Amino acid sequence: AQTVTQSQPEMSVQEAETVTLSCTYDTSENNYYLFWYKQPPSRQMILVIRQEAYKQQNATENRFSVNFQKAAKSFSLKISDSQLGDTAMYFCAFMKGWMEYGNKLVFGAGTILRVKS
Amino acid sequence: KAGVTQTPRYLIKTRGQQVTLSCSPISGHRSVSWYQQTPGQGLQFLFEYFSETQRNKGNFPGRFSGRQFSNSRSEMNVSTLELGDSALYLCASSLAERGEDEQFFGPGTRLTVL
Repeated sequence: AQTVTQSQPEMSVQEAETVTLSCTYDTSENNYYLFWYKQPPSRQMILVIRQEAYKQQNATENRFSVNFQKAAKSFSLKISDSQLGDTAMYFCAFMKGWMEYGNKLVFGAGTILRVKS
Repeated sequence: KAGVTQTPRYLIKTRGQQVTLSCSPISGHRSVSWYQQTPGQGLQFLFEYFSETQRNKGNFPGRFSGRQFSNSRSEMNVSTLELGDSALYLCASSLAERGEDEQFFGPGTRLTVL
């Protein structure tokens, strides 16, 4: 079974600074996807960034980027120029890549990020 | 384009009752997944439906069931409610068959069991 571990229950960062959230996962699969989701106080889950395991290049989306280390099974999220609106719970998630497994996401426990002004 | 909608948004039930939650996916999306979110267990996968067929199922008791209709709308049912079923229930819809396309989440249904 796949597991996702987020070792930082809470983090805080000053506005405009950079913060990195950690995530490790365990799988024997070679074809999979990794995601970071954001859940603000409204509880609406929003996809932040996605990484395909077969791609060596790290994904980036504006101020958000990942450091994907496949051999180490590590998938950290870097948020640059933090903004107050980034305050949320962040979840790391894993999905197997084969069609027969469907769209099942396995989530980590989450990291609460607080951006301070 | 309208997002994923879930009804009702809030629900209060008592132990032993049953409840039905509804999820309307984004138009054109054929995959609907359900998740339970609790402070203690976090986010856990319940099941996924694709083209009216259950494609995947999480580790939940048989009291939790679901179905999908021909218009891709999905319902989940919980029978004989227990206090531990109090949770935020999220559904997510997706266009593609795998993870290439984004899963869009609904706002959730907050179920409280008294």
